[in-house]
Amino acid sequence: QKEVEQDPGPLSVPEGAIVSLNCTYSNSAFQYFMWYRQYSRKGPELLMYTYSSGNKEDGRFTAQVDKSSKYISLFIRDSQPSDSATYLCAMTSDSSYKLIFGSGTRLLVRP
Amino acid sequence: DAMVIQNPRYQVTQFGKPVTLSCSQTLNHNVMYWYQQKSSQAPKLLFHYYDKDFNNEADTPDNFQSRRPNTSFCFLDIRSPGLGDAAMYLCATSEGQGNQPQHFGDGTRLSIL
Repeated sequence: QKEVEQDPGPLSVPEGAIVSLNCTYSNSAFQYFMWYRQYSRKGPELLMYTYSSGNKEDGRFTAQVDKSSKYISLFIRDSQPSDSATYLCAMTSDSSYKLIFGSGTRLLVRP
Repeated sequence: DAMVIQNPRYQVTQFGKPVTLSCSQTLNHNVMYWYQQKSSQAPKLLFHYYDKDFNNEADTPDNFQSRRPNTSFCFLDIRSPGLGDAAMYLCATSEGQGNQPQHFGDGTRLSIL
């Protein structure tokens, strides 16, 4: 079993839809949770960075962490075609340099 | 403005011919990382430097080496590339450990002939 599980998709939604992306994990030591967006042939771009449980909002993006369930989510409101990309969740513990990534969910927002 | 810069963006080399990929940063971060990412897969950490201290992942092949001559630059050397080494190589930086986020460059896509 992988440490971080993420549905690879693809997830196809119409423009304007609310998108929900999720990851589950098994290591209770993880405290820092990240979402990266990766466009084709580009590097991952940090979207959201959260510590421990709770919600964080930045514009159209909301990140949620539920440590009791070992479950994290990224919500995208009013999705745009420019949001079409692969979304990678990543996480780590306080004492580690190593990010553990999910395999990524490919999102397609149709005009 | 790009803060983690990788050159070249695309690199073609021959089977067995040594190749070097470069990364520079303007963030003055202590930590620099090299990841390998194959198609539709998660990035896989190869090694990282905390300042001048080198840390190799246990499953990184001996074929992969790295150098960090100063804070701003880091190099990935592949001594004898095989066909299985064709991938995107990503450089990242962070100020410190897990409580500091990692910032990635746009990668170098390596092809092996």
